[in-house]
Amino acid sequence: AQSVSQHNHHVILSEAASLELGCNYSYGGTVNLFWYVQYPGQHLQLLLKYFSGDPLVKGIKGFEAEFIKSKFSFNLRKPSVQWSDTAEYFCAVPNQAGTALIFGKGTTLSVSS
Amino acid sequence: GAGVSQTPSNKVTEKGKYVELRCDPISGHTALYWYRQSLGQGPEFLIYFQGTGAADDSGLPNDRFFAVRPEGSVSTLKIQRTERGDSAVYLCATSPRETPGDEQFFGPGTRLTVL
Repeated sequence: AQSVSQHNHHVILSEAASLELGCNYSYGGTVNLFWYVQYPGQHLQLLLKYFSGDPLVKGIKGFEAEFIKSKFSFNLRKPSVQWSDTAEYFCAVPNQAGTALIFGKGTTLSVSS
Repeated sequence: GAGVSQTPSNKVTEKGKYVELRCDPISGHTALYWYRQSLGQGPEFLIYFQGTGAADDSGLPNDRFFAVRPEGSVSTLKIQRTERGDSAVYLCATSPRETPGDEQFFGPGTRLTVL
């Protein structure tokens, strides 16, 4: 069965620092990959997604992620974080049947101004 | 446009009681999902509807949990004989297409507390 691992449980950064959140998945077939974000008091929303093509995908608010098939990874990056990026970030992949998303445990990002 | 809505936003109940949680999807979205999120965890899949039918209910933890979507729009998650371990945030998500692995749009969730 597929699984998703997020390496960092809680990341604390100062504004303008660079961010990289790790995500590894365990599935060798065709993969769609997602990063979702949940800002304080808000619902989960899509940050970016990879379906095919260019392995470097760009999402909202300056986030990007790189799909590295050989490493089964889809790490999230942002060159310079802002206080407003404080949120919980979830990596997700579809299950093998395509009937649901499998989420990682999430990474809480705290950005101090 | 309006997003996915869920009611109630909070539900406190006593052990052994029956609860219903409602999800109103984005208009026109045919795929509907229920997830459960416990503290410190990511959402965990419960059930997936294509239209009116449950296409995959493999995530339902036991037979106390049941969900319906009679007209292919609103869905209700029903939990019988609630237990303290059922306490969690129950999330509903919908998608405009029934393409495997497509983007899902999430509602705000219902926080269920079983005393």
